[in-house]
Amino acid sequence: AQSVAQPEDQVNVAEGNPLTVKCTYSVSGNPYLFWYVQYPNRGLQFLLKYITGDNLVKGSYGFEAEFNKSQTSFHLKKPSALVSDSALYFCAVRDANSGNTPLVFGKGTRLSVIA
Amino acid sequence: DGGITQSPKYLFRKEGQNVTLSCEQNLNHDAMYWYRQDPGQGLRLIYYSQIVNDFQKGDIAEGYSVSREKKESFPLTVTSAQKNPTAFYLCASSKRRENTGELFFGEGSRLTVL
Repeated sequence: AQSVAQPEDQVNVAEGNPLTVKCTYSVSGNPYLFWYVQYPNRGLQFLLKYITGDNLVKGSYGFEAEFNKSQTSFHLKKPSALVSDSALYFCAVRDANSGNTPLVFGKGTRLSVIA
Repeated sequence: DGGITQSPKYLFRKEGQNVTLSCEQNLNHDAMYWYRQDPGQGLRLIYYSQIVNDFQKGDIAEGYSVSREKKESFPLTVTSAQKNPTAFYLCASSKRRENTGELFFGEGSRLTVL
């Protein structure tokens, strides 16, 4: 079975400070990992993904994420937060060996960047 | 531009009525999905279809129905059997052959049952 955990419902950070949104996963094989962002009453927008290769993945809007296989984590990071980064962030996973099964999403973490 | 169009954006329904949410994509994607979003519960999969004329139940299919008669279209019907239908509904699609599972989302439809 595939699963994703986002242990924090809410993360607060001051503008200009670094931010981290945590994600851990569980799959039986190798993972495909994704981060999406959602603004109020909108659909989800793709930020970045890890499929294979370099453990540090760079994505849209200055975000990056580090794949850590030993800790089964894929935390989202940004060196300097902006107020406009305030949104709901979702981590998702799929087992690379699971055929075409759909992505499994975490419950989301609400990021609030304070000016 | 290519994308996924969901309609209507907002919908109100009386109890006991069926309602159909539209989802159309022009990305030439094979697979399409319906998710339901409730506060604090993330996204839960209702139904998905990997090919025309075929679909599978997700985790919370009870009270919902779908059809996939065309590659571009994957409408969702919320039936009167769905006990708590008020939610935000998201449609998505993916390139089946790419196999990573990356999803492209529509803007969502908010259903409120009065």
